[in-house]
Amino acid sequence: DAKTTQPNSMESNEEEPVHLPCNHSTISGTDYIHWYRQLPSQGPEYVIHGLTSNVNNRMASLAIAEDRKSSTLILHRATLRDAAVYYCIDTGFQKLVFGTGTRLLVSP
Amino acid sequence: EADIYQTPRYLVIGTGKKITLECSQTMGHDKMYWYQQDPGMELHLIHYSYGVNSTEKGDLSSESTVSRIRTEHFPLTLESARPSHTSQYLCASSDILNTEAFFGQGTRLTVV
Repeated sequence: DAKTTQPNSMESNEEEPVHLPCNHSTISGTDYIHWYRQLPSQGPEYVIHGLTSNVNNRMASLAIAEDRKSSTLILHRATLRDAAVYYCIDTGFQKLVFGTGTRLLVSP
Repeated sequence: EADIYQTPRYLVIGTGKKITLECSQTMGHDKMYWYQQDPGMELHLIHYSYGVNSTEKGDLSSESTVSRIRTEHFPLTLESARPSHTSQYLCASSDILNTEAFFGQGTRLTVV
């Protein structure tokens, strides 16, 4: 079963920043925090991952709390193409299990 | 570019037929996964493998079976298809730490 909790949905306007939260209440010391997203009618795609430090890549930024019990995926300027379901997962060597995710709606 | 392929993309088949959904990856990944997803619904893990000759059932019970005889190949078989098996099946692979999983395009199965 998924171990993380996320809001069911969030809304944003185009070109505004979006902060997607995730709680990792049962994360262990060796688990990485992963974020994936699933665009309509497509399979999930990798967004970003991290262990303890904040991470940036061309798609997004990942902010990880000091106690690692929460993380935030940051989209700096949302576009219509970012409308998707966003999943956070914490896992290390175990299987990859997806929860219900957060459905992000982006308005023009 | 992800090198993981699923065939067929779409399959319409009659009740009682045996089907095999193919999944292949060329990245040398040890871990491979099968997920089942209905439109607008959750992604459910039905099978996974940590390497050759390793297969495990996922969190959602499934009548399908899998095999992992070669690293790159992880086929899923339904011995006798039923309308309740109608769904989308997604295959994925990743390295041992799940650092970045890649997903295939999926197979949309319809059993009539």
